[in-house]
Amino acid sequence: GAGVSQSPSNKVTEKGKDVELRCDPISGHTALYWYRQSLGQGLEFLIYFQGNSAPDKSGLPSDRFSAERTGGSVSTLTIQRTQQEDSAVYLCASSFGDSPLHFGNGTRLTVT
Amino acid sequence: QKEVEQDPGPLSVPEGAIVSLNCTYSNSAFQYFMWYRQYSRKGPELLMYTYSSGNKEDGRFTAQVDKSSKYISLFIRDSQPSDSATYLCAMSDVDKLIFGTGTRLQVFP
Repeated sequence: GAGVSQSPSNKVTEKGKDVELRCDPISGHTALYWYRQSLGQGLEFLIYFQGNSAPDKSGLPSDRFSAERTGGSVSTLTIQRTQQEDSAVYLCASSFGDSPLHFGNGTRLTVT
Repeated sequence: QKEVEQDPGPLSVPEGAIVSLNCTYSNSAFQYFMWYRQYSRKGPELLMYTYSSGNKEDGRFTAQVDKSSKYISLFIRDSQPSDSATYLCAMSDVDKLIFGTGTRLQVFP
């Protein structure tokens, strides 16, 4: 079946602009995660959605970052007033129960 | 000190070599241990998953967990050029999943 789908695959934006990154998880997966991967760094946890529970936002680096998940499926990560340090690959993953995470191919964000 | 430490490499080996990739961790609450493989410009894909000490084998890959030493390893036998990728260890307790920084592996023909 289809895996985790992320769009766009690449995004170039000017400093100060807002961007929206989209994630379509695997159908039936109740958990959805956003991670950020910078060059030479590991995966940095950003936010976690589980079913209808309140999301775990503990990894969001600043109030310029927000995310929502509509209808328990598609999720959008929004970065307002982008800065150059926001340049990274943003990865989305989904899972069901105790199963391991399945990742999308990410959105490569470049802030100029 | 990071919760999970992983040598970033790069590690360069000839085809057919045995490769050993390692991670150490500090949180004794971690119960689940994973290895992910990430090709360039792709998302990480799950390679091995275990939740107990000991060895787990899958084809040319063996995952080893030593909870007493807080040390996990991934062994790749008869390495192939197609194994060239970044390998990420990951571990979790009930609430959170923590990744290592990844080891870049290059297998040359």
